[in-house]
Amino acid sequence: DTGVSQNPRHKITKRGQNVTFRCDPISEHNRLYWYRQTLGQGPEFLTYFQNEAQLEKSRLLSDRFSAERPKGSFSTLEIQRTEQGDSAMYLCASSPTTVGTGELFFGEGSRLTVL
Amino acid sequence: ILNVEQSPQSLHVQEGDSTNFTCSFPSSNFYALHWYRWETAKSPEALFVMTLNGDEKKKGRISATLNTKEGYSYLYIKGSQPEDSATYLCAFLGNTPLVFGKGTRLSVIA
Repeated sequence: DTGVSQNPRHKITKRGQNVTFRCDPISEHNRLYWYRQTLGQGPEFLTYFQNEAQLEKSRLLSDRFSAERPKGSFSTLEIQRTEQGDSAMYLCASSPTTVGTGELFFGEGSRLTVL
Repeated sequence: ILNVEQSPQSLHVQEGDSTNFTCSFPSSNFYALHWYRWETAKSPEALFVMTLNGDEKKKGRISATLNTKEGYSYLYIKGSQPEDSATYLCAFLGNTPLVFGKGTRLSVIA
């Protein structure tokens, strides 16, 4: 399967723990996006990368959230000191274009539950 | 704050009915309007990417129109089938990465 892959698919953690999600985009896609979706809402933009450069990170929800894409391939999203409000679906998407109008290819998401 | 509004929030139709949804978005700084279908336990998949005012696109029984001057797009499904049951998301591309609406959840009853 050569689609966008996200791991883990489900994560249950206790409040205060750190969690990390991984996203493997479609190879040769140079743009990678992270979104968060909570119940009843549409996907909410968090951050994105052009190759290894993080072009926008002001939308990360707090300084507990960080993302990396060290070699311009896979990306990780880390949440430190998780809170119950962090419970959500975290979606990764990639795009082959630098122009920005092209469609996004999404993974199946990583669902986080914080107890 | 960009506002992308979708209506209705949810919809239940009988198999064979035709239906349509609305997406409204800012009419300024427009680059593109995307439609995605998101089935339960799957990943969102792009249906259409529309960039020009007056665009009409079609994929099988599903079609979409775009009015960038007044800031709205319609998605039409002709002869709904149970496999069309999903959440339909529209997303606006302006000066920022895609901003999504809350979606319209469609249930097609056989």
